[in-house]
Amino acid sequence: AQKITQTQPGMFVQEKEAVTLDCTYDTSDQSYGLFWYKQPSSGEMIFLIYQGSYDEQNATEGRYSLNFQKARKSANLVISASQLGDSAMYFCAMRLNRGSTLGRLYFGRGTQLTVWP
Amino acid sequence: DAGITQSPRHKVTETGTPVTLRCHQTENHRYMYWYRQDPGHGLRLIHYSYGVKDTDKGEVSDGYSVSRSKTEDFLLTLESATSSQTSVYFCAISESGQGDQPQHFGDGTRLSIL
Repeated sequence: AQKITQTQPGMFVQEKEAVTLDCTYDTSDQSYGLFWYKQPSSGEMIFLIYQGSYDEQNATEGRYSLNFQKARKSANLVISASQLGDSAMYFCAMRLNRGSTLGRLYFGRGTQLTVWP
Repeated sequence: DAGITQSPRHKVTETGTPVTLRCHQTENHRYMYWYRQDPGHGLRLIHYSYGVKDTDKGEVSDGYSVSRSKTEDFLLTLESATSSQTSVYFCAISESGQGDQPQHFGDGTRLSIL
């Protein structure tokens, strides 16, 4: 069975500091992708960053980077230079590149990030 | 922004009534998904579709049915709503079922069953 674990229900960070949100995953598949989504208080789901299981380099998108450690099955999201607008719920998700799963995402329970001034 | 419209955005109804939620996309994507979001559970997959008339069950499909008669529309029906189906429902679309193409989400429907 596939499983995503986010062990931090809530995180706090001061503005301009960096923060790491943890995500571990469990799968026996070799080919998969990992995604992070942001959900602000307004409720929409915003795609942030993607990492493929065969990607040798960690993904980066602006202030977001993904610390991918395949052997440990972890895919932590790093947000640099936090801003007040980063306060939101963050979800880690996995998709298997197996035809039978048809692209479905497996989600973690989320981490609520609060950025304070 | 991906062209995904969910309707209604909010609905309050009574136990035992049928409810249909609509997801409409303008992206011509093949894959469409319905998730529900509940506190402490993240998002859980209800049903998904990989083409017109091609649908399958997710992990929390009991009490729900879906239909996709056109590429652009994916309907989620609660045949007889129960209070346990009070939730926020998200529709998502994806161009591909593999690789780096993310799922894009609609803005959600907040459904309350009294």
